[in-house]
Amino acid sequence: GENVEQHPSTLSVQEGDSAVIKCTYSDSASNYFPWYKQELGKRPQLIIDIRSNVGEKKDQRIAVTLNKTAKHFSLHITETQPEDSAVYFCAAPGGGGNKLTFGTGTQLKVEL
Amino acid sequence: DVKVTQSSRYLVKRTGEKVFLECVQDMDHENMFWYRQDPGLGLRLIYFSYDVKMKEKGDIPEGYSVSREKKERFSLILESASTNQTSMYLCASSFPGGANTGELFFGEGSRLTVL
Repeated sequence: GENVEQHPSTLSVQEGDSAVIKCTYSDSASNYFPWYKQELGKRPQLIIDIRSNVGEKKDQRIAVTLNKTAKHFSLHITETQPEDSAVYFCAAPGGGGNKLTFGTGTQLKVEL
Repeated sequence: DVKVTQSSRYLVKRTGEKVFLECVQDMDHENMFWYRQDPGLGLRLIYFSYDVKMKEKGDIPEGYSVSREKKERFSLILESASTNQTSMYLCASSFPGGANTGELFFGEGSRLTVL
């Protein structure tokens, strides 16, 4: 099955700085890589995803990059704001494509 | 707007009790999932279902079972609750086509404490 590793487990940045969270996956057949954000006490919600036919995708201040050769993908948040403080999860489906395996999460804290 | 509703936000049960966690979605999704969330371990898949009366084991199915009698409802059952099943349980649903085709919509979660 798929194995997803996520780093760092905690990340603290100053408001306005950039934040980068990295994930690696094991199954080379994985072709879809979503990122979920979970604010304190709330449900996880999809914020961005990327498919294996592209190397980068942007949506305003967030972007995701994918390196299929190295089997890793990253979430980039620029100009961080206090409302970006949350736990972020990466995920990958594995070759079977029938279930998502999540990373262990990154607690991002944006300090004023 | 997709709505995934979990019947109980907080439950406290005793060791050995049978526990039912209910989840209902209102978007006619074929796929439904049960995850548990523990600090430092992320979201781990317990069971999932692609259709009525169909179920498949996830990564940590031991000690759990599920039921899907109707398309909109997916129940998680702890036959004999144990303290190591104290956790946050999250239900999710998605459109058909497998987990690699789109967004998971999560419920608010059910925090279970087993004493």
